Amino acid sequence: QMQLEESGPGLVKPSGTLALTCTISGGSISSAYWSWVRQPAGGGLEWIGRVYTAGTTNYNPSLNGRAAISLDPSRNQLSLTLYDVSAADTAVYYCARDSEVKTSMTYWYLDLWGRGTRVSVSS
Amino acid sequence: DIQMTQSPPSLSAFVGDRVTITCRASQSVDNYLHWYQQKPGEAPRLLIYVISNLQSGVPSRFSGSGSGTDFTLTINGVQPEDFATYYCQQSYSSTWTFGQGTKVEIK
Repeated sequence: QMQLEESGPGLVKPSGTLALTCTISGGSISSAYWSWVRQPAGGGLEWIGRVYTAGTTNYNPSLNGRAAISLDPSRNQLSLTLYDVSAADTAVYYCARDSEVKTSMTYWYLDLWGRGTRVSVSS
Repeated sequence: DIQMTQSPPSLSAFVGDRVTITCRASQSVDNYLHWYQQKPGEAPRLLIYVISNLQSGVPSRFSGSGSGTDFTLTINGVQPEDFATYYCQQSYSSTWTFGQGTKVEIK
């Protein structure tokens, strides 16, 4: 059974760069598309972006071009890099698997989530 | 971006009650509407995808309905393990968005 586990530094300084990794076990990273979602303390869920198996990416415009998502199939890992962070980026960050159901259309949803990793931005 | 608005923001219910949560999109999201459950300290869990399809392992007391811009999540006979926060999410547009959440508490 596939599992996802996020990892990264718990603390990042303002204006610095946040780098997170999601390690996939029990299956191949090439078998699916992947997303990152974040959640500030006491807040709701915000979709950050997704990566397709060919490496194509799509990001939430609210991040103003600061996010980059990539795949490392050799390590079965997904990564998120967030540049020029501020206190507003303090959150729990989740990686999630995009699944699809095809009828006359293809519908995407997030069917498997990691446990999340907490990131604080502070000097 | 498509804005997703859930109501109510929170509700209290007795065990066994029928609970209804609504989600309204700022424009049509067709059938691209999904529901998640999140318990404190845990990751979200997919409950329902494409309006009304129950994810594997989700109890049949959960159901979803709606179309276009208005959707509903219903719990028929809420159980103690159902007290959590529920989120709707659309994947119609290239920027996926979630509702702000509805917290279901024990009365």
